[in-house]
Amino acid sequence: DAKTTQPPSMDCAEGRAANLPCNHSTISGNEYVYWYRQIHSQGPQYIIHGLKNNETNEMASLIITEDRKSSTLILPHATLRDTAVYYCIVRVDRNAGGTSYGKLTFGQGTILTVHP
Amino acid sequence: DAGITQSPRHKVTETGTPVTLRCHQTENHRYMYWYRQDPGHGLRLIHYSYGVKDTDKGEVSDGYSVSRSKTEDFLLTLESATSSQTSVYFCAISVRQADGYTFGSGTRLTVV
Repeated sequence: DAKTTQPPSMDCAEGRAANLPCNHSTISGNEYVYWYRQIHSQGPQYIIHGLKNNETNEMASLIITEDRKSSTLILPHATLRDTAVYYCIVRVDRNAGGTSYGKLTFGQGTILTVHP
Repeated sequence: DAGITQSPRHKVTETGTPVTLRCHQTENHRYMYWYRQDPGHGLRLIHYSYGVKDTDKGEVSDGYSVSRSKTEDFLLTLESATSSQTSVYFCAISVRQADGYTFGSGTRLTVV
């Protein structure tokens, strides 16, 4: 499985862009990069995912380098409610019992703290 | 989260007793998953389901069983609870495997 490396913590000022990096140097060509976040005591929340191209949705943008060995999640205008643990995950398809499933392996993530 | 409910939210049980956790969805999603979250281990997949009566094991399935008799409900059973199963359990759903998952609010289980 491709491993991901994230900084353990980051700070960001409210209203500024938060740029969260992730390294996944052993990623395979057909593996997607997913981002989730988890606000204290709540279930993880899906943010965005991508394969090769940059992606944008109402929550964030995902920038994947051309060699796909790293990516950056961008929260364009961070708010206090964006304070959370952010997980970068490489999704691996696994076969079990004749079917495949997308195994999501959550690491330790990055604790993002947004300051007033 | 809207559309997915876990029950109970909290439970304390004794070692050796059976425990069943319920995940209920109103989204009619095909895929359902059970994860556990422990400090230092992140979230680990226990079991998943790809349809009614279709289930399979994840990476930490020992000591757990599941059932899915209808689309909306996915039950996780600890046949004989042990202290090592003290954890926070999350259910998740998705339309397709490639989609992002929607997680429930979790069940905090303590085995004493």
